[in-house]
Amino acid sequence: AQSVTQPDIHITVSEGASLELRCNYSYGATPYLFWYVQSPGQGLQLLLKYFSGDTLVQGIKGFEAEFKRSQSSFNLRKPSVHWSDAAEYFCAVEGVRNTGKLIFGQGTTLQVKP
Amino acid sequence: DVKVTQSSRYLVKRTGEKVFLECVQDMDHENMFWYRQDPGLGLRLIYFSYDVKMKEKGDIPEGYSVSREKKERFSLILESASTNQTSMYLCASRDPKRDSATNEKLFFGSGTQLSVL
Repeated sequence: AQSVTQPDIHITVSEGASLELRCNYSYGATPYLFWYVQSPGQGLQLLLKYFSGDTLVQGIKGFEAEFKRSQSSFNLRKPSVHWSDAAEYFCAVEGVRNTGKLIFGQGTTLQVKP
Repeated sequence: DVKVTQSSRYLVKRTGEKVFLECVQDMDHENMFWYRQDPGLGLRLIYFSYDVKMKEKGDIPEGYSVSREKKERFSLILESASTNQTSMYLCASRDPKRDSATNEKLFFGSGTQLSVL
């Protein structure tokens, strides 16, 4: 069955430190993968997506993610975290291609220490 | 920019009540979705609609129904609310005609936090 796992429920990093949020997926074919961010009281905003091609994907707000087929992973990274990055982050895979039906991971809450 | 508006930010209802959650989008999107968000579970798809008067069940449709009489509006209905339906509900829309390689994304509303007492 298709699924997405985010192993870390909660992560705390210091401002200025690097960040990596983990995401593992289970999908039969080449997946369409997404990372979304949800700030408190807000809806979800797309950070980046992977469909094909270059496995290192650049997104908004200085985020990037790397698709690794051999590890079934799509980890999100940022070299230097800002206090405004504190939010909840969701990894998702499109369950059926081109339908918009996403399967989400459990989410990772990021806390940023000053 | 696309705007997806959910009519209520917070809603408190009693067990057994019939509850309507409304969602309106202003960009003529054909596809609309209802998700619920629970801590530790992420988002789960309840129902979706590919076009007016069309609806399909998602992963957790039990206890819910939907209505899509107009393209811009997608309503989620709890026929008889129960405490286990206390949750954050998120509506989303999508334009399937845009090139999927460059613009495949859902636009989300800000959510309705529903409490069933």
